[in-house]
Amino acid sequence: GNSVTQMEGPVTLSEEAFLTINCTYTATGYPSLFWYVQYPGEGLQLLLKATKADDKGSNKGFEATYRKETTSFHLEKGSVQVSDSAVYFCALIPGTSGTYKYIFGTGTRLKVLA
Amino acid sequence: EPEVTQTPSHQVTQMGQEVILRCVPISNHLYFYWYRQILGQKVEFLVSFYNNEISEKSEIFDDQFSVERPDGSNFTLKIRSTKLEDSAMYFCASRRGGVEGYTFGSGTRLTVV
Repeated sequence: GNSVTQMEGPVTLSEEAFLTINCTYTATGYPSLFWYVQYPGEGLQLLLKATKADDKGSNKGFEATYRKETTSFHLEKGSVQVSDSAVYFCALIPGTSGTYKYIFGTGTRLKVLA
Repeated sequence: EPEVTQTPSHQVTQMGQEVILRCVPISNHLYFYWYRQILGQKVEFLVSFYNNEISEKSEIFDDQFSVERPDGSNFTLKIRSTKLEDSAMYFCASRRGGVEGYTFGSGTRLTVV
């Protein structure tokens, strides 16, 4: 079946530290991969996406590369800010999904300290 | 920027009561979804809706659940007889076609007591 596994949180970092949140997936076919962010009290916002192997998604200093050989899509940021504190969800849409339903990971809470 | 609007943001209901969660998708979108997130757990797909009918539903979406697009603008999720385990955050989402523009609402937190 299709599934997404994320590293457990919370992750606590100091401002300007390097961030990695690990994400691996299991999927049939060729899924599209996504990172969503949820700020406190808000909805799910698309952060970045990649639709095929070796694609790199990037937005707001965050990056993730679609690695088919390791079935991974790790999220990275070179220098985090306090405003990046949020919950980050890795997700996929299976390549075989006609309805474009998301499969989400459990989410990783990031806390950045000033 | 267009938004998906969900009301109310928080609803408390007695076990066994019916509850309707409301969503206003983006106006030119064609595909509609409900997801839920039990506290501390992953976001799970419930149902997708297109052309006035359910296109896919998960095993969670049993006979207690129903969806409706009553007037061409609202998209509702009804739970007929709520159980304690229905307590969760419910997210509505919509898209026009493909993945571009797939937009989530801010969610309705449902608490069943």
